[in-house]
Amino acid sequence: GQNIDQPTEMTATEGAIVQINCTYQTSGFNGLFWYQQHAGEAPTFLSYNVLDGLEEKGRFSSFLSRSKGYSYLLLKELQMKDSASYLCAVRDSNYQLIWGAGTKLIIKP
Amino acid sequence: DTAVSQTPKYLVTQMGNDKSIKCEQNLGHDTMYWYKQDSKKFLKIMFSYNNKELIINETVPNRFSPKSPDKAHLNLHINSLELGDSAVYFCASSQVAGGRDTQYFGPGTRLTVL
Repeated sequence: GQNIDQPTEMTATEGAIVQINCTYQTSGFNGLFWYQQHAGEAPTFLSYNVLDGLEEKGRFSSFLSRSKGYSYLLLKELQMKDSASYLCAVRDSNYQLIWGAGTKLIIKP
Repeated sequence: DTAVSQTPKYLVTQMGNDKSIKCEQNLGHDTMYWYKQDSKKFLKIMFSYNNKELIINETVPNRFSPKSPDKAHLNLHINSLELGDSAVYFCASSQVAGGRDTQYFGPGTRLTVL
């Protein structure tokens, strides 16, 4: 079966750095997405990786290793507004998006 | 200039009723989706639809049916509502560009079945 694994919850301190990991086992691979979802709101797009390596976008970076079936989202200079759930999603060989259950990130002052 | 909109935002209804949720996108995207997000926050695809093909998640009960009057709309009709249908339902749309298709989500409809 297809599977996306992420930690259920993480806690970090304002101003620090946090890395949210995602491992996947899917039938084929056609890209990996990270979305942010604040409580009570819709998911919004953060990043996309299809080739191995690091994609940097401001305070957020996303890394992919296709051979390991692994990605991480790195958040730097954490702010209170970064408290949210972070969803990892992989597009499989049928171009269907397979979603992880999300990682709830709690930022403490 | 809302990109993806849904109505209603909240829906409270009795078991056994039939209800519809409307979705509209003004992005000109070819593909639209319906997702269900339950209390555990797991986002589950229900349908994806473009003007050529409807893909149904086989685990979705046939009480749920998408209806698309045109390319910009994908409504969700639910028959004989059950308690387990209580969840947040998200509509989304996407278009392939630059080799990827980012999904844009509507604000969600919180359905409560009593």
